[in-house]
Amino acid sequence: GDSVTQMEGPVTLSEEAFLTINCTYTATGYPSLFWYVQYPGEGLQLLLKATKADDKGSNKGFEATYRKETTSFHLEKGSVQVSDSAVYFCALSSRRGGGGADGLTFGKGTHLIIQP
Amino acid sequence: NAGVTQTPKFQVLKTGQSMTLQCAQDMNHEYMSWYRQDPGMGLRLIHYSVGAGITDQGEVPNGYNVSRSTTEDFPLRLLSAAPSQTSVYFCASWTGRAEAFFGQGTRLTVV
Repeated sequence: GDSVTQMEGPVTLSEEAFLTINCTYTATGYPSLFWYVQYPGEGLQLLLKATKADDKGSNKGFEATYRKETTSFHLEKGSVQVSDSAVYFCALSSRRGGGGADGLTFGKGTHLIIQP
Repeated sequence: NAGVTQTPKFQVLKTGQSMTLQCAQDMNHEYMSWYRQDPGMGLRLIHYSVGAGITDQGEVPNGYNVSRSTTEDFPLRLLSAAPSQTSVYFCASWTGRAEAFFGQGTRLTVV
């Protein structure tokens, strides 16, 4: 079955540091890939997405590139801020039949802590 | 737009009690799902629906029932609550080809 593996947290960085959160996946076919962010006490929000190989998703200074050859979708940001502190989830949506009919498959989440 | 609305936000149940978690979306999305979020486990799919009248089981369906009588609503029923069902529950909806939209979550404690 489909699976997503992401680095375990918590990840603690200083403000303005470079961020990488690794994500690799196993899936049949050609999944869409997502990064979701969850701020304390809130639901998940889409951060960025990529729907085919070599696509780069970007939003709020975060980027991730869909690498089919390495089955990876690593999240990066050049200079993190305290406000980026949150839990980040990598996810995939398989395209079987109607497309994503079995829902999203999530990684376990990475808790990011940014210190001033 | 309201998006995905979940009620209640918090709930405490006694073991053996039943309750229904409500989820409604106003985006006319075909697909809806229920997930539970537990520390160190990420989000796990409980049940999902691909349209009114059609539901199926996800990864962890035991102890939960769902129905989808309308496109808008997808309630999750706990028939006999157990402490193992203490969790945060999220409802999501989407078109099946783009990103999912999540509700704010229901924090359930079973004592």
